[in-house]
Amino acid sequence: ETGVTQTPRHLVMGMTNKKSLKCEQHLGHNAMYWYKQSAKKPLELMFVYSLEERVENNSVPSRFSPECPNSSHLFLHLHTLQPEDSALYLCASSQDLGEGNTIYFGEGSWLTVV
Amino acid sequence: SQKIEQNSEALNIQEGKTATLTCNYTNYSPAYLQWYRQDPGRGPVFLLLIRENEKEKRKERLKVTFDTTLKQSLFHITASQPADSATYLCALDIGGADGLTFGKGTHLIIQP
Repeated sequence: ETGVTQTPRHLVMGMTNKKSLKCEQHLGHNAMYWYKQSAKKPLELMFVYSLEERVENNSVPSRFSPECPNSSHLFLHLHTLQPEDSALYLCASSQDLGEGNTIYFGEGSWLTVV
Repeated sequence: SQKIEQNSEALNIQEGKTATLTCNYTNYSPAYLQWYRQDPGRGPVFLLLIRENEKEKRKERLKVTFDTTLKQSLFHITASQPADSATYLCALDIGGADGLTFGKGTHLIIQP
């Protein structure tokens, strides 16, 4: 138990569907992240939130839409995805942004786009 | 942008031996470097953090070194056990909104 909970753990969706990934952290952290992990590729940072404000968007396609309603919750809304978006999506949190902060990951949501 | 290379995709080590994993990076040196362990189907778990002014850091059977001249970090597991089999990720920590920049990882297999 890492203190970061993601749901659902597995999701299969069609290219025309709309779905959401949910993340909740119980650590009292101020920063939250979405990472994408594809086979044979390093973890890719998608979005960063600090105190509920988005501070980073690494050129992520608009079919991915994050939402951070409060410092404990983070969502990733998915809309008209492509098969190449199939991957493990990892939510994470850290005490703050800045150097020296270790990151606590959730178990991930396996997404398959058909 | 930073480029991170971890020595190999997979490394097979006999139980009881020391496993050594390598992380090399280009461009500027980060103030911190972190190592994570990832088991299949799970999220990465933090293991160790080392600062640029620290040469070595230890935690139980784990040891990390950080050489900013060589732009390299080595990760050692002594007296390796089959339970140490996992993927180990090196991550550069430059702070700010960039979070951590991860390498592809090395899949370590400890054979009984």
